[in-house]
This record gives sequence, structure tokens and C-alpha cells, in this order.
Amino acid sequence: QQQVKQSPQSLIVQKGGIPIINCAYENTAFDYFPWYQQFPGKGPALLIAIRPDVSEKKEGRFTISFNKSAKQFSLHIMDSQPGDSATYFCAASPTGTASKLTFGTGTRLQVTL
Amino acid sequence: EAGVVQSPRYKIIEKKQPVAFWCNPISGHNTLYWYRQNLGQGPELLIRYENEEAVDDSQLPKDRFSAERLKGVDSTLKIQPAELGDSAVYLCASSEGTGGDGYTFGSGTRLTVV
Repeated sequence: QQQVKQSPQSLIVQKGGIPIINCAYENTAFDYFPWYQQFPGKGPALLIAIRPDVSEKKEGRFTISFNKSAKQFSLHIMDSQPGDSATYFCAASPTGTASKLTFGTGTRLQVTL
Repeated sequence: EAGVVQSPRYKIIEKKQPVAFWCNPISGHNTLYWYRQNLGQGPELLIRYENEEAVDDSQLPKDRFSAERLKGVDSTLKIQPAELGDSAVYLCASSEGTGGDGYTFGSGTRLTVV
């Protein structure tokens, strides 16, 4: 059972564009929603995370939008750069922390010049 | 700070052979996690340790997989015997406590079973 559905599978944007990656979850017990960035040959690295008590969180060029009623959350990358080219994973946990993460299937982002 | 160190980086073995992966977490991190990441997929949690105790191993295929964390620091994950479907990247992560503070992944071990 895929508890966290992520889309799109891949995405190509031009430099300066705003890629948007979407995730939907089924388990209403989830209460911690992080996004991870993974470069080839490396482990995932935490970008930004949100909890259900807020609808939006911004850190630098990265913004999470959260819709509790729709059970959806999304990642927006402002002013995207070629260095942002990577695979992005959403995740969710029912413990309020990263202790029991369920990951989405990933989105491969390519930012072109 | 060295980060989470995993070895080996790559391993190629024949099916039915045993294999072991090693993880050294960040100093002071008492929670350690093992994940499996299949090609084109997100990581899947296999087991979580708090100090030397395995507190969540519900996703670990116990017929062929085993793990240990002696003295609550380094950990090893073993597969015996390996099957073709075990080909994946095995990731280790650690955090300061159960709250996930400082949660950091290692670079993983890429296993190929032929």
C-alpha cells in the first residue's frame, strides 16, 4: 500500500522557474511532513519540514504548502538554479518526528540554463 | 564532523552468498536507522535502534536479514543468503534522540546481486 503518493515523476524547468512537486497521503495519523533532496551517490538530505498546525512554511527559496483537509502538501522552489537539479522526496511520519518516515517515490528535477 | 559513515560503498555478490554492511553514526547520536532504497524509489525503513535496542523492526525480512548494534554505536546489517531482488542501496541514518534532531543519512552501500 502506497501511503504517500508523489507527482510528477520527473520535471524539467528553466533557470529561474518555479518547479512544484506534489504529495498526497492517506494516513490521517501522519503529523510530520519533511522534504528531502538527494544527489546521485548521496543519501537524502533534509530540506524543509512542516507540521499540520501551519499551512505554509518558507526557508530560503523552498516553500511547503500544506492542505490538511485535502491531505496534500507540495514543495515550491523559487528562482530555481541548475544546482537544484536532484531527486526530491516527500515523506510523512505519524510520530511528529522523523522517527518513522514513509517516503514518496521521488521526483527527478532538472533545471536547465 | 565526519557525518554518518557507511562501508563498503559498493558490493557485488552472487546470489545465495552472505553480505554485510557497516554503519558508524554521528558521535552522540543514539538513534540509528537502516533503510533500503530500490532503484527509482524512496527509502524504506527496515529497522530502528535506540541505543542497542531494536525498537522497530517490523519491516525487516527476518528470514534472511539480521542487524545488530553492539554497545549502541556502530551497526551492521546482514543478508544471508542474498537474492537477486535484494539489489538496492542500503542507507543508514542517525539522530540525536527519538525526536529526530540532527537526522542525517549516510551515502549508502550499493548492493548488486548477480
